[in-house]
Amino acid sequence: QVQLVQSGAEVKKPGASVKVSCRTSGYRFTAYYLHWVRQAPGQGPEWMGRIHPNSGDTKYGQKFQGRVTMTRDTSITTGYMELSNLTSDDTAIYYCARDDPYGDLDLWGQGTQVTVSS
Amino acid sequence: DIVLTQSPGTLSLSPGETATLSCRASQFVRLSHLAWYQQRPGQAPRLLISGTSSRATGIPDRFSGGGSGTDFTLTISRLEPEDFAVYYCQQYHIPPRTFGQGTKVEI
Repeated sequence: QVQLVQSGAEVKKPGASVKVSCRTSGYRFTAYYLHWVRQAPGQGPEWMGRIHPNSGDTKYGQKFQGRVTMTRDTSITTGYMELSNLTSDDTAIYYCARDDPYGDLDLWGQGTQVTVSS
Repeated sequence: DIVLTQSPGTLSLSPGETATLSCRASQFVRLSHLAWYQQRPGQAPRLLISGTSSRATGIPDRFSGGGSGTDFTLTISRLEPEDFAVYYCQQYHIPPRTFGQGTKVEI
């Protein structure tokens, strides 16, 4: 079954870091870019960046440069997104999504709620 | 960054009616790089339309997309109860890919 399964909800204090995982199955992990998108309450989705699982090549949104790190472990077909120096503005649902050959995000994880609160 | 402005913010309709959603880009977007997503409450977005007008796998033909340049539309004919959701347009013509703020289709 083709799917992306993300790690569970996180509650973090301001200044902390969070690392979300995205376990993939049912397709060739190294053949498709993996993107990370977040969605704050009541807002539209916001693209954070992407990684190519084969090469490890990453591209981050300018807003997140210096604070986000995307990695992968090809042995367990899992991608990771780590966001550091969290503030309350980072409270959101974080999604991983697969990029199909045409550039569309055709497969999404179920989302991971990250709450930043003192 | 390309800004996508969706209108209206909310569309109140009844089952069986037709919904017409608009997405206006702040600059030119190539046809092949405009997509629409549906998001139901508590769920992840789901790809509906790619390349402006191509339905994704399993999407019924009640959904159709069109437009060009800076103006794009999503039309939902014969609204079904499961179509009441939020719809987002998204471009990836010029990085970073950006999303609109969404149109909520409600009963």
